[in-house]
Amino acid sequence: QQQVKQSPQSLIVQKGGISIINCAYENTAFDYFPWYQQFPGKGPALLIAIRPDVSEKKEGRFTISFNKSAKQFSLHIMDSQPGDSATYFCAASILQKGSARQLTFGSGTQLTVLP
Amino acid sequence: GAVVSQHPSRVICKSGTSVKIECRSLDFQATTMFWYRQFPKQSLMLMATSNEGSKATYEQGVEKDKFLINHASLTLSTLTVTSAHPEDSSFYICSARDWPGEHYGYTFGSGTRLTVV
Repeated sequence: QQQVKQSPQSLIVQKGGISIINCAYENTAFDYFPWYQQFPGKGPALLIAIRPDVSEKKEGRFTISFNKSAKQFSLHIMDSQPGDSATYFCAASILQKGSARQLTFGSGTQLTVLP
Repeated sequence: GAVVSQHPSRVICKSGTSVKIECRSLDFQATTMFWYRQFPKQSLMLMATSNEGSKATYEQGVEKDKFLINHASLTLSTLTVTSAHPEDSSFYICSARDWPGEHYGYTFGSGTRLTVV
């Protein structure tokens, strides 16, 4: 079964600190690994995504680290802010031209950034 | 960027009635749309994959006669919850694949909070 395991379930960080969320996958055919941010009552919003041909991608305060051999990827949020408090989901998919495969989601991490 | 509009954002209906949720891709053509259900503090559960012009593919355990999905055009997919019951109360979210597009993202709608009373 295609699974993406996410940890921790919840995370509390002080303002200015680094938030780290980890995910591990099983299906080696996955070739697209996005992270989504979801606020209560809203749909998920794409935060950052990575393909397996690179080991790291950075966009502003958000960085994805990808370890293909370990089948793991993580999200780092630098200088965490109270506004970052949300639920974060990792996901994985197989990109295939002409066909849209569904995303496989992790279980989510509730991040709370204390002021 | 790619935008998916979902409507309504909230709906309250009486038990036994049907409710239709619309999902529109505003600035791109979505040959495939996905419908999810999300319970409080849980992850998104894929209900079905909707392909334009063909029958939807439902995930195991999802009642196709209860959750009717129609994807009649490249920009519109609808989910109809038929004969709704309180246990159908949930947060429903649609998603569309931006393909071909400059990025590979799956764009999500803002979700619909369904409450069946």
